[in-house]
Amino acid sequence: KNEVEQSPQNLTAQEGEFITINCSYSVGISALHWLQQHPGGGIVSLFMLSSGKKKHGRLIATINIQEKHSSLHITASHPRDSAVYICAVVSGEGDTDKLIFGTGTRLQVFP
Amino acid sequence: DAGVTQSPTHLIKTRGQHVTLRCSPISGHKSVSWYQQVLGQGPQFIFQYYEKEERGRGNFPDRFSARQFPNYSSELNVNALLLGDSALYLCASSLYGNSNQPQHFGDGTRLSIL
Repeated sequence: KNEVEQSPQNLTAQEGEFITINCSYSVGISALHWLQQHPGGGIVSLFMLSSGKKKHGRLIATINIQEKHSSLHITASHPRDSAVYICAVVSGEGDTDKLIFGTGTRLQVFP
Repeated sequence: DAGVTQSPTHLIKTRGQHVTLRCSPISGHKSVSWYQQVLGQGPQFIFQYYEKEERGRGNFPDRFSARQFPNYSSELNVNALLLGDSALYLCASSLYGNSNQPQHFGDGTRLSIL
């Protein structure tokens, strides 16, 4: 079993729909990153959070440390949101911490 | 300001050869991490360097090595290439050596082994 699990693996939506991507992890963490990867391969950091909720534009990320779960929400989805969304947790402490990645959720938004 | 730059963008090699991949971090960033992403999978941690010292190493064979230069740029070297080394190699930079801070990724080097 992977230490970081994402669901769903694939997601299709119509433009305007509300989208939720889930991330569950089994290790102790100090923070969690949500990342966006476009077909060319480059990765963009969307959020880093260690508690509560963060919002940026149409994107909202939440985390529940007790339940070891995080969600990424996209409101009013648009075709340009089509990408792979990756959850990565920061495991370990201080100088020896490292990122452990989920396998990603592939999102396609159709007009 | 320039983001994280990686070179080359694409590379084709044959089994047994060696390869050197390069990464320039964002100006002022002192930490560089390397990741391997096989098609359809999430990235896997290979190395982290901070202030020119190795801070962490993932579960990769000794064929993989890296270093960081005084200007904080970094090289990833892979010897005796295998078909399974075909992947996207990503570099990420950050200000300091821990991962609970924003990570800035390059566009990656896509390595194909024939």
